[in-house]
Amino acid sequence: KAGVTQTPRYLIKTRGQQVTLSCSPISGHRSVSWYQQTPGQGLQFLFEYFSETQRNKGNFPGRFSGRQFSNSRSEMNVSTLELGDSALYLCASSAQTDTQYFGPGTRLTVL
Amino acid sequence: QKEVEQDPGPLSVPEGAIVSLNCTYSNSAFQYFMWYRQYSRKGPELLMYTYSSGNKEDGRFTAQVDKSSKYISLFIRDSQPSDSATYLCAMSEPGSARQLTFGSGTQLTVLP
Repeated sequence: KAGVTQTPRYLIKTRGQQVTLSCSPISGHRSVSWYQQTPGQGLQFLFEYFSETQRNKGNFPGRFSGRQFSNSRSEMNVSTLELGDSALYLCASSAQTDTQYFGPGTRLTVL
Repeated sequence: QKEVEQDPGPLSVPEGAIVSLNCTYSNSAFQYFMWYRQYSRKGPELLMYTYSSGNKEDGRFTAQVDKSSKYISLFIRDSQPSDSATYLCAMSEPGSARQLTFGSGTQLTVLP
């Protein structure tokens, strides 16, 4: 089975712009979670989607949003980018069990 | 204070050594405990998954959970240079099992 794929792998944006990241889960997995990883804060949970519905949300501002499509692929969007949004954004998928499998991440740099 | 505390290291050991990695936590609602390994420029890879208290062994890896002390450990036997990575503990509550709270990670180097 192919693993979790994330696109793009690298992205450079400037402050004030918006960005959309994409995640394709492992085939058959219906849950997709997003995390932000920074050197200072570590890995932090953003949100989880299951069957196109957001089930849980972490403590991030409303500039961070996401959605999931009927094929379980997910996107996350960050609007009005700030320097502090520079991070590795990780997507994880899971099936019926709660075991999460992570993708390689998208490294976002905000200038 | 963070919900999950993990010594960031760095930790450096000779090849063949037994490595002990630990996390403490404050949220008594955590029931699911995981250890992930993350190589540089890669996503975390699940090593061990444990529910509630007890021990779990998988090859060279042993995970221990002591809920009474709010303390979890990962032991690596016969460590190899390929084990050099950052090790992250993670945990979650029932009802939101996929909302993981991570430790800050311990950077391990195994010297040949």
